[in-house]
Amino acid sequence: AQTVTQSQPEMSVQEAETVTLSCTYDTSESDYYLFWYKQPPSRQMILVIRQEAYKQQNATENRFSVNFQKAAKSFSLKISDSQLGDAAMYFCAYSAHINAGNNRKLIWGLGTSLAVNP
Amino acid sequence: GAVVSQHPSRVICKSGTSVKIECRSLDFQATTMFWYRQFPKQSLMLMATSNEGSKATYEQGVEKDKFLINHASLTLSTLTVTSAHPEDSSFYICSASTSGGADTQYFGPGTRLTVL
Repeated sequence: AQTVTQSQPEMSVQEAETVTLSCTYDTSESDYYLFWYKQPPSRQMILVIRQEAYKQQNATENRFSVNFQKAAKSFSLKISDSQLGDAAMYFCAYSAHINAGNNRKLIWGLGTSLAVNP
Repeated sequence: GAVVSQHPSRVICKSGTSVKIECRSLDFQATTMFWYRQFPKQSLMLMATSNEGSKATYEQGVEKDKFLINHASLTLSTLTVTSAHPEDSSFYICSASTSGGADTQYFGPGTRLTVL
């Protein structure tokens, strides 16, 4: 069964510094998707970044980038130039097949709570 | 783009009553919608997956008769909590996807249900 592990329940970073959140996953699939979502205190789940497993190039969205290591099944998120608004719970998620069809569901990590210190 | 709304944002009801939560994709057609439950400081727990025009697929341990899901159109899914009890109090979140979940899921803002 697919699993997602986030080994850091809490992290903190100084404003303007860089922080990396770790995520590992377990799967026997070769074609899949990985996501980082952010959930601020408002509890609105916001997509941060998405990675297709068939792409070797690491995804990047402005200050957010990933280090995708397919062989190691690792998918870490790097936040550069951290801002106060980055403070949130960050969830790593794996898109797993539900059945033989096209339907998929997200397998979630337990989350990492990121604090940004001014 | 990819905005999902959820209504109501908060609801308080008496034990034994039913509550309906609506989830709408505002600017795209959602082939698949998902319903989650989230307890404080925990991850999301998938309750069910619904495809437009067909019956929802419930996760193990989720009571179909208690949590009724209808996905009548490509932009609307509803979750009805029937005969609600205090243990049903939780934060319910919906998400929508354009291609069976293979594409990105976009989330609604959630509904806080409190059952007295």
